[in-house]
Amino acid sequence: GNSVTQMEGPVTLSEEAFLTINCTYTATGYPSLFWYVQYPGEGLQLLLKATKADDKGSNKGFEATYRKETTSFHLEKGSVQVSDSAVYFCALSPSNAGKSTFGDGTTLTVKP
Amino acid sequence: GAVVSQHPSWVICKSGTSVKIECRSLDFQATTMFWYRQFPKQSLMLMATSNEGSKATYEQGVEKDKFLINHASLTLSTLTVTSAHPEDSSFYICSAISGSSYNEQFFGPGTRLTVL
Repeated sequence: GNSVTQMEGPVTLSEEAFLTINCTYTATGYPSLFWYVQYPGEGLQLLLKATKADDKGSNKGFEATYRKETTSFHLEKGSVQVSDSAVYFCALSPSNAGKSTFGDGTTLTVKP
Repeated sequence: GAVVSQHPSWVICKSGTSVKIECRSLDFQATTMFWYRQFPKQSLMLMATSNEGSKATYEQGVEKDKFLINHASLTLSTLTVTSAHPEDSSFYICSAISGSSYNEQFFGPGTRLTVL
């Protein structure tokens, strides 16, 4: 079956530090890949997505590249802010519109 | 963009009562909706997949008679927690898939259920 493995947290960074949250996946076919962000007490918001190999998703300074050869979709941001503190979920959605698979989430705390 | 709402955003109820949570797609028709449960500091646990006009498909270990799902229209799915008990307290999140963006899920804001 499909699976998503995320870097374990929590991750604590100082403001303006570089962020990487690793995500690798196992899936058949050609899934779409997503990063979602969840702020305290809220639902999930789509942060970025990529639908095919070598696509780069980007939003609000965050980036992730769909790497089929390494089955990875690592999330990066060059300079984090306190407001980026949240839980980040990597997810995949199969090409046949079946149910999505989520990673366990990585909690990011950015300190001023 | 596609917007999904949930109502209520939070609810407190007494043990033994039933609680209904609504999930609506506001600006698109949702062929499929999903219901998740999330415990504190944990990932989402898929409870069931709801397709309009048909019975929901429940994940293994989820009690069908406990968590009733009705997807009566292309814009509304409801989750009813029957005879709620304190262990049912959790954060319930729905998501929806539209026909045009078939593998991207749009999430509702979640409903916090507390059973006393």
